[in-house]
Amino acid sequence: DAKTTQPTSMDCAEGRAANLPCNHSTISGNEYVYWYRQIHSQGPQYIIHGLKNNETNEMASLIITEDRKSSTLILPHATLRDTAVYYCIVRVAGGYSTLTFGKGTMLLVSP
Amino acid sequence: GAVVSQHPSWVICKSGTSVKIECRSLDFQATTMFWYRQFPKQSLMLMATSNEGSKATYEQGVEKDKFLINHASLTLSTLTVTSAHPEDSSFYICSARITPHNEQFFGPGTRLTVL
Repeated sequence: DAKTTQPTSMDCAEGRAANLPCNHSTISGNEYVYWYRQIHSQGPQYIIHGLKNNETNEMASLIITEDRKSSTLILPHATLRDTAVYYCIVRVAGGYSTLTFGKGTMLLVSP
Repeated sequence: GAVVSQHPSWVICKSGTSVKIECRSLDFQATTMFWYRQFPKQSLMLMATSNEGSKATYEQGVEKDKFLINHASLTLSTLTVTSAHPEDSSFYICSARITPHNEQFFGPGTRLTVL
């Protein structure tokens, strides 16, 4: 699976949009971009994934650049409960590879 | 979404004793489950992959005789930490893979403290 690079930490004010970037310049054509988050002392939670088109669900939006070498996870209205470590992972969807976690981005949402 | 549970959520034990952690898929069958370990301020590290009815596959550096994994049914996998020592204190998280899309869902984790 391709490697990803994320900032170590980010801050966001409550109610504002949180934009979390991820670089994956070695992504292959059949690899998807997955986002998970881990709130302190809990198991990881799936957020969203995509291949090349932008995706949106009830939790977030995922914007993938046209060359697919980077992406941005958008939390449109961040709340204090969104404070967590966010992991960007690249892997083949439907394949049998497991999820490999990097260091992720620690997002701190403040009042 | 699919639900994965773990029991216990936390456990404290004495050095030298064994501890068993259960991982259950509550509303789906999982032929494959994964066990991760997470030390403070670090990311999740895969320990082993557990397939129902067969032996687990361990990652490099993980002692299979110390971390016994049993996946006897499609909804239950267990991790037993044998002869636990303080350095085994960690957050243990299981994950279950759901077919046909092979997505992974995670349990809430088990905090193990070895005194």
